[in-house]
Amino acid sequence: DGGITQSPKYLFRKEGQNVTLSCEQNLNHDAMYWYRQDPGQGLRLIYYSQIVNDFQKGDIAEGYSVSREKKESFPLTVTSAQKNPTAFYLCASRKNRAQEPQHFGDGTRLSIL
Amino acid sequence: DQQVKQNSPSLSVQEGRISILNCDYTNSMFDYFLWYKKYPAEGPTFLISISSIKDKNEDGRFTVFLNKSAKHLSLHIVPSQPGDSAVYFCAASGRGSNYKLTFGKGTLLTVNP
Repeated sequence: DGGITQSPKYLFRKEGQNVTLSCEQNLNHDAMYWYRQDPGQGLRLIYYSQIVNDFQKGDIAEGYSVSREKKESFPLTVTSAQKNPTAFYLCASRKNRAQEPQHFGDGTRLSIL
Repeated sequence: DQQVKQNSPSLSVQEGRISILNCDYTNSMFDYFLWYKKYPAEGPTFLISISSIKDKNEDGRFTVFLNKSAKHLSLHIVPSQPGDSAVYFCAASGRGSNYKLTFGKGTLLTVNP
């Protein structure tokens, strides 16, 4: 079955550590996105990538980094510079065709120890 | 500033009745609107979308209405079922935005048996 896989489901990080969240898709989608959701809030865009080897900052990119070396993969690194990293992180992808919706993975919950 | 607003944090309806979820937007550049459904600890699932060239789109029990002059859209679910109980997010994207989505904060729908 095609889909978007985020791993792990739950992740714990110590203060001062970087941590990388995985996102893999086998839908042959061109574009990929990372969002963050906080309690009672909507989803906020962190980074997105329209094609391999290219990505752009979203609304809240500070303290995060990404790479897009393969079409299928778009890992997100939460660096120690991110002041409030505890959140639910969601990855999405879509075909680069007019009015195609984004489809989401099941998310990773990151907590600081 | 919040460009997409869902002013009702929660809504409760009886099984079999109509559920109406509302969404307002402020950015006149938005031309594509989507509704997503989300269960706790899962990723959002795409439900239905509408382009600004239309004022209505229907898919089974779900209908989205768009009033461009009022910058308002609504999602109607008829008949409502207990399995529809979830958080519903309204999202929008605009011309030239690479289909980046701006989300509302969501409305928790509870359908009572």
